[in-house]
Amino acid sequence: DTGVSQNPRHKITKRGQNVTFRCDPISEHNRLYWYRQTLGQGPEFLTYFQNEAQLEKSRLLSDRFSAERPKGSFSTLEIQRTEQGDSAMYLCASSLAGQRSYNEQFFGPGTRLTVL
Amino acid sequence: AQTVTQSQPEMSVQEAETVTLSCTYDTSESDYYLFWYKQPPSRQMILVIRQEAYKQQNATENRFSVNFQKAAKSFSLKISDSQLGDAAMYFCAYRSWKYGGATNKLIFGTGTLLAVQP
Repeated sequence: DTGVSQNPRHKITKRGQNVTFRCDPISEHNRLYWYRQTLGQGPEFLTYFQNEAQLEKSRLLSDRFSAERPKGSFSTLEIQRTEQGDSAMYLCASSLAGQRSYNEQFFGPGTRLTVL
Repeated sequence: AQTVTQSQPEMSVQEAETVTLSCTYDTSESDYYLFWYKQPPSRQMILVIRQEAYKQQNATENRFSVNFQKAAKSFSLKISDSQLGDAAMYFCAYRSWKYGGATNKLIFGTGTLLAVQP
């Protein structure tokens, strides 16, 4: 399978615990995005990377959230001291940016987080 | 800031019939992209169709076509000959275009849940 993969697919945690999600983009893609989708809403942008550089962060990304993309390959999204309001689907997408590239974003299946 | 509005939370269509999903958006930019994404139940989101704002011709992909009205800031999706596999949540999305691709985030509407009746 050469699509975007995310692990775990489901995560249940207790309030106050830390959680980490992983995203593996399509191998040649240089851009990687994180979005959050709550029930009944469309995805909301959180942050994006070009290679290993984090170029944009949303105001939604509080100081409890941190994202990394070491070596410009996979990415991790960590949430510290989880709150019930963090319960959502976390989506990862990747794209290939370049002069001749349309930069279409391909989405992964998401990680569903439930905070009890 | 740009916003995307989908005013139809749910729609239903009979198999083989045609349905139109509505989307309006607000922006002060002149160059941008618009998209329709499909999110089947428990499956990942896939791109259905895109439209570049500078193109006057409406995009078409097989049974899917759009009606892009730039002045009215309207971007509807028409699905012809509806099939059971078209049942999904459909999201309208906006992306700015700036030289050098500085802004890449997608701004989504709240979605329209499409049911296809056999």
